[in-house]
Amino acid sequence: GAGVSQTPSNKVTEKGKYVELRCDPISGHTALYWYRQSLGQGPEFLIYFQGTGAADDSGLPNDRFFAVRPEGSVSTLKIQRTERGDSAVYLCASSAQGAKTEAFFGQGTRLTVV
Amino acid sequence: GDSVTQMEGPVTLSEEAFLTINCTYTATGYPSLFWYVQYPGEGLQLLLKATKADDKGSNKGFEATYRKETTSFHLEKGSVQVSDSAVYFCALSEKEGAQKLVFGQGTRLTINP
Repeated sequence: GAGVSQTPSNKVTEKGKYVELRCDPISGHTALYWYRQSLGQGPEFLIYFQGTGAADDSGLPNDRFFAVRPEGSVSTLKIQRTERGDSAVYLCASSAQGAKTEAFFGQGTRLTVV
Repeated sequence: GDSVTQMEGPVTLSEEAFLTINCTYTATGYPSLFWYVQYPGEGLQLLLKATKADDKGSNKGFEATYRKETTSFHLEKGSVQVSDSAVYFCALSEKEGAQKLVFGQGTRLTINP
């Protein structure tokens, strides 16, 4: 596809359950970012991958959150033992290699924990 | 830590009105500054950016100037259109690219015909 693709677009889960959110970056983009956007707020940084490795995971709120990018392309954000406070839109972005490149965002996955 | 403060919304204007959305920032270093826009039903898109003091970013009739002395990056447009209705986010990055963006809370803009 031409842009960043995130699936599912919506996810409703029960408190305590495990969820996985998927991000397909633009082909060839080596950098991938996850952000979380709560209602009425701007996006907050979670984690940044350069290739397969997490270059900066300082935004992950706690150890229930984990993200992988095993082949340097698709990434999965994993949330264990979900809590109602995890409800938000999870955004993924990707960019080409290089310091001056632009990040392109997907439309996000809206996660609702009930 | 770094932070961005935006003018509170929502903002409602008539078509062809002048637009200003205020943005101020706090940063330890010399950040790059960005404006992103989110149109209804679409993902965030980069609108414009500036990477050093006194730089002016511009795109689609929008402009913003990096003011180090006032730590500001206000967004302006001389004559808005209905199609400009969207949510606008000011953001900074301590690196020149898009790594680890820090966003403001967003300003919802509605333009009436």
